[in-house]
Amino acid sequence: DTEVTQTPKHLVMGMTNKKSLKCEQHMGHRAMYWYKQKAKKPPELMFVYSYEKLSINESVPSRFSPECPNSSLLNLHLHALQPEDSALYLCASSQDSFTNLAKNIQYFGAGTRLSVL
Amino acid sequence: AQTVTQSQPEMSVQEAETVTLSCTYDTSESDYYLFWYKQPPSRQMILVIRQEAYKQQNATENRFSVNFQKAAKSFSLKISDSQLGDAAMYFCAYRSANYGGSQGNLIFGKGTKLSVKP
Repeated sequence: DTEVTQTPKHLVMGMTNKKSLKCEQHMGHRAMYWYKQKAKKPPELMFVYSYEKLSINESVPSRFSPECPNSSLLNLHLHALQPEDSALYLCASSQDSFTNLAKNIQYFGAGTRLSVL
Repeated sequence: AQTVTQSQPEMSVQEAETVTLSCTYDTSESDYYLFWYKQPPSRQMILVIRQEAYKQQNATENRFSVNFQKAAKSFSLKISDSQLGDAAMYFCAYRSANYGGSQGNLIFGKGTKLSVKP
């Protein structure tokens, strides 16, 4: 099973709303990633969690708040977003974030399409 | 810093024909991994094929194969017997094999949109 599940698939929110994106994997992976992808662009890394600890924050605004409650679950809490934050948000997982093995592959979910009005 | 370049924003191929997508990269590292990911309209990024830099033999996965030229820093993807389901955005990606820091992170090219004509 190489499935990464993201919910919801679509989300529309106002600039004053608080919402959360959810990502789940049951592959025993210990690294999980959040990416932001604008239309016709490659994914941009936002956060990396390794063994449930935040290891990389790519200078993401504080209106995005990641959380890793356990090794299978990754959340992205959203608050006071701007219209330019509208994008596809992808979650990925891999064995971990530092194993030097070819099999340490990132598996992606189908993403959450976020629209900020 | 490493960079990945895909010089073909869009490509088109006739069904059952062969198409090659180009990718070049820049790095000073000797050990790394290269990937091709496919992103269909369903949005999910799907791993198509991977290549370890220390392996001279080109990777193959069914109808997908790569031409890895380490000295030229080139990593092209060949799709044989193209099918309608191959239509997607294809991203070339690089991952360092060095320990520490952002070693596990993927560096993506800008993508090539492949259309398959029936």
